Amino acid sequence: QQKVQQSPESLSVPEGGMASLNCTSSDRNFQYFWWYRQHSGEGPKALMSIFSDGDKKEGRFTAHLNKASLHVSLHIRDSQPSDSALYFCAASGLTGNTGKLIFGLGTTLQVQP
Amino acid sequence: NSKVIQTPRYLVKGQGQKAKMRCIPEKGHPVVFWYQQNKNNEFKFLINFQNQEVLQQIDMTEKRFSAECPSNSPCSLEIQSSEAGDSALYLCASSLSSTGQLYFGEGSKLTVL
Repeated sequence: QQKVQQSPESLSVPEGGMASLNCTSSDRNFQYFWWYRQHSGEGPKALMSIFSDGDKKEGRFTAHLNKASLHVSLHIRDSQPSDSALYFCAASGLTGNTGKLIFGLGTTLQVQP
Repeated sequence: NSKVIQTPRYLVKGQGQKAKMRCIPEKGHPVVFWYQQNKNNEFKFLINFQNQEVLQQIDMTEKRFSAECPSNSPCSLEIQSSEAGDSALYLCASSLSSTGQLYFGEGSKLTVL
């Protein structure tokens, strides 16, 4: 079973709309969360990290973390066609942390012009 | 543009052949990771290094995979005897610390015929 689960598998939003992506961990050791974005034919690029409960905003992107439920979300406002990509949630743990990230299977976002 | 340089971008091997991939991490980044991303977008952590020393690695009991990060030379990942199941995108990433943001290269796509 995937330790980091993402939903939905795919999402389509109109240009200018709001995209909401979800991620849940099944391992209480996972306390640090990252969002990465991967465009076709490229390597993943980090969007933002979130380590504390609550919201973290960076430009059009807002991440929300609830450590009690191990749920993290990413909201993209004013979505642009260039936001069309694969989005990965990744988590790492507290104990014995060597930096190894556990990735979810991704959410494919399509922004319709 | 990615500052982690991976070569080659593509390689095609027959079963049983050796496959070698190289990675030049971003300047000043002492930590290097290798991940395998399969066609289903599953990420598999392979190994990470800090200043040429292995931090963590998967159980490479097959002994077909080996990796090194010598000083003043590119890091490398080698598969001694390629199998069809090894077909994947091999991603190298570097970081300022073992728990910091990962900067990925574009990847080396291996196809084993």
